Amino acid sequence: QSVLTQPPSVSGAPGQRVTISCTGSSSNIGAGYDVHWYQQLPGTAPKLLIYGNSNRPSGVPDRFSGSKSGTSASLAITGLQAEDEADYYCQSYDSSLSGSVFGGGTQLTVL
Amino acid sequence: QLQLQESGPGLVKPSETLSLTCTVSGGSISSSSYYWGWIRQPPGKGLEWIGSIYYSGSTYYNPSLKSRVTISVDTSKNQFSLKLSSVTAADTAVYYCARQVLSYSSSWYDGDWFDPWGQGTLVTVSS
Repeated sequence: QSVLTQPPSVSGAPGQRVTISCTGSSSNIGAGYDVHWYQQLPGTAPKLLIYGNSNRPSGVPDRFSGSKSGTSASLAITGLQAEDEADYYCQSYDSSLSGSVFGGGTQLTVL
Repeated sequence: QLQLQESGPGLVKPSETLSLTCTVSGGSISSSSYYWGWIRQPPGKGLEWIGSIYYSGSTYYNPSLKSRVTISVDTSKNQFSLKLSSVTAADTAVYYCARQVLSYSSSWYDGDWFDPWGQGTLVTVSS
C-alpha cells in the first residue's frame, strides 16, 4: 500500500486529454512538499517527466503538465499519442517517514 | 551527460547479503548539490525508495528497510554502493540507482526528485 494514491489505470483515445491524480496527506503533499512525476516505458527505467509540481525538464513535450492543490496533485497529458502508453508515477517527500515516497503507479492505455 | 550504471550479482541466496554498486560517469559524485539514491521495483509492482547518500558519507534510509540497509560511497572511484542483508524472496526486484536533486526555497525544504536513473539491474533471491 503506497503512501501516495494513484488510480491503477486510465485510458484515452489518440488526441484526447487524460489526467492522472496523486493523493497524499498532511505529512507529504499537504505539508507543502513538491510533487514530481515519472514516465516508465515498458522494459525501461523511469524518466523524470515533471519536477517541482509543474516544471518540465528539457526535452519533455509541453503536452505534459502538472499541478498541485491541497493534498493532491495531477498530471495532465493532452493530444494523446500512442508513444505515451506507459506507467506513470508520482513522488514526494514525507516528513513522517523522513524520506521519499512514491505513488503506486498508473498504467496509461492509448486506445 | 551524466550516466549511472548498476552492477552486481543477479542471483542471491536467501538469508545472504545483496551487494550492488552504481558507477557515475560524466560528472562528479562529489558535487555538493546532490544526494545519490537507490530505488527498487519488484516485478510487476511499483517503485520503492531504499535510501540515499551524500558524498561526505551522510545517509538516510527508508524506515521499513533501515535495519538491513547500508549505503556507502567511494569518491575516488565515483561510485556508491548498496548492501541489503538477510534477503528473502520479497527482495527480488529491479534495483535502480539515481542522482537525487534536493530543492530549497528560502529556508524551506521543498523535497527532492531523482534524475537521471541508471538502467536498472534485476536481482533474484532464490536458492
